[in-house]
Amino acid sequence: AQTVTQSQPEMSVQEAETVTLSCTYDTSESNYYLFWYKQPPSRQMILVIRQEAYKQQNATENRFSVNFQKAAKSFSLKISDSQLGDTAMYFCAFLIMDSNYQLIWGAGTKLIIKP
Amino acid sequence: EAQVTQNPRYLITVTGKKLTVTCSQNMNHEYMSWYRQDPGLGLRQIYYSMNVEVTDKGDVPEGYKVSRKEKRNFPLILESPSPNQTSLYFCASSLRPYGTQYFGPGTRLLVL
Repeated sequence: AQTVTQSQPEMSVQEAETVTLSCTYDTSESNYYLFWYKQPPSRQMILVIRQEAYKQQNATENRFSVNFQKAAKSFSLKISDSQLGDTAMYFCAFLIMDSNYQLIWGAGTKLIIKP
Repeated sequence: EAQVTQNPRYLITVTGKKLTVTCSQNMNHEYMSWYRQDPGLGLRQIYYSMNVEVTDKGDVPEGYKVSRKEKRNFPLILESPSPNQTSLYFCASSLRPYGTQYFGPGTRLLVL
């Protein structure tokens, strides 16, 4: 079965620090996409970053970057210069590019940024 | 404004009383999904649809039905709700399955 594991249920860091959220996944497929979504207290889900598995270069979006290790099936999210507005649940997900197109999600990591 | 709308936002009902949660998007997206979110379990996909008249089961389809008669609408139907369907439900859409998913605001359902 294809699964996503986020091993850190909750993390907290001081404002301006760097934090890394871990995500591992399990699949035998080679063509897939990986995502990080953020859910702040407002409950609105927002895409943070996306990575195509065939691309070796790690995706970045401003203060957000990923460390994609395909062989290890690892897809961690690094948040640099963390801000209070980064406080949220963060979900890792992946999509296999086959006829199924089902999205598989992790259980989430609750990130708290302390002032 | 590009958006996904869900109605109702909050619903309290009783076991066995059929209900429908509506979902509509105005972005001409092909891919639409329904999720339920439960504490400690994250998001679980209930059903998804690649296009009009094409729907597929996700991880937890039991007890739910969907239809996709028009591209913009993807209602979720609970024919006979039970207390274990108490949850937070999200509808989402994207242009392609691998594209950015745009989520609705969520529907909080309580089944007594």
